[in-house]
Amino acid sequence: SQTIHQWPATLVQPVGSPLSLECTVEGTSNPNLYWYRQAAGRGLQLLFYSVGIGQISSEVPQNLSASRPQDRQFILSSKKLLLSDSGFYLCAWEGQTYGYTFGSGTRLTVV
Amino acid sequence: RKEVEQDPGPFNVPEGATVAFNCTYSNSASQSFFWYRQDCRKEPKLLMSVYSSGNEDGRFTAQLNRASQYISLLIRDSKLSDSATYLCVALNYGGSQGNLIFGKGTKLSVKP
Repeated sequence: SQTIHQWPATLVQPVGSPLSLECTVEGTSNPNLYWYRQAAGRGLQLLFYSVGIGQISSEVPQNLSASRPQDRQFILSSKKLLLSDSGFYLCAWEGQTYGYTFGSGTRLTVV
Repeated sequence: RKEVEQDPGPFNVPEGATVAFNCTYSNSASQSFFWYRQDCRKEPKLLMSVYSSGNEDGRFTAQLNRASQYISLLIRDSKLSDSATYLCVALNYGGSQGNLIFGKGTKLSVKP
């Protein structure tokens, strides 16, 4: 069966520090992968999506970046975090049948 | 105008009540629709897809009206465990990938 793993679960980082969040998928190949962010009191916002290795599309201009070094690995990064980067970051993959499956998320607080 | 709009609630209902959530979407090209459930500080989980003909899964019934661009979710015989935020979602396709557009969610609180 397909599973999606995301870590860490919680992160507190100072302003200006770098960020690296990792997401891996098991049990499927060549999945479409997505990074979403949910800020407090707001809906989920699509940040990046990837249809294959090295293929990244950005939906929202910001100081975040994404990479897909392997088929089932999706990484969200930042060189310098801002206070506004705080939020709940969710990785998702698009299943063969319908709907998206989300990882358990990383709650990031930038202080 | 937001792409997917929902009443944020909260809906506070007693156990056993029937509650209905409504949602509207602005992109007439949206191809698929879903309801997700999100518990506090957890990831969203797919509750059910929404079909034009209407579909039912136990106590849950979803309905889609493409002409009015309107989606609904009905929960019968509410349980305490139904307390959560319910997200209305539209799926738009562009190229080889889809893009889920989420509403902000409707919060449901079921009381004993």
